[in-house]
Amino acid sequence: AQSVTQLDSHVSVSEGTPVLLRCNYSSSYSPSLFWYVQHPNKGLQLLLKYTSAATLVKGINGFEAEFKKSETSFHLTKPSAHMSDAAEYFCVVFGGSYIPTFGRGTSLIVHP
Amino acid sequence: ETGVTQSPTHLIKTRGQQVTLRCSSQSGHNTVSWYQQALGQGPQFIFQYYREEENGRGNFPPRFSGLQFPNYSSELNVNALELDDSALYLCASSLISVANLQETQYFGPGTRLLVL
Repeated sequence: AQSVTQLDSHVSVSEGTPVLLRCNYSSSYSPSLFWYVQHPNKGLQLLLKYTSAATLVKGINGFEAEFKKSETSFHLTKPSAHMSDAAEYFCVVFGGSYIPTFGRGTSLIVHP
Repeated sequence: ETGVTQSPTHLIKTRGQQVTLRCSSQSGHNTVSWYQQALGQGPQFIFQYYREEENGRGNFPPRFSGLQFPNYSSELNVNALELDDSALYLCASSLISVANLQETQYFGPGTRLLVL
């Protein structure tokens, strides 16, 4: 069994400040974890993925995430938010199967 | 751009009707998955097709069915539409192997279906 919990439905930051989007997962197997971003009226775009290699994963647009097995977390961070980062972000877990489970999403709001 | 396209972009149907949604995968990808995304929710897995055969299904009734064709196109069919079927339908293509079933999925922009 697998599940994913995105701890915040909305996160609001000012442009230029750090971003933290939190994701906890559960899995009976060693998981693969992904973060996707969805801009309005667009499909989902892959930001980064963890597949049992380095625990700190770097993605596109300055985002990175750290896999912490002891905390069952895979939080997404970015040092400095940009207005174009405003979107919906989804954490996804594959836990031993080919069927992914998506979180409910976190809406990132960036203020000027 | 992911190279995955979907048609139509928007669709309005009435309860009880049938609908067919279409997806064109990235060239060379052997797998297509379909998802339903209700407003304010994350995508829910409907089913996956691998080399033209259904490879797995989520918690959706049989009135949701699909096809995958050799030319990298696929269809999602929904019969006897219900009001709760109103959602964004996403397809995603990937290239999977026995060694790696959890490959990156490349999503299309979706088809927004409204059932009245």
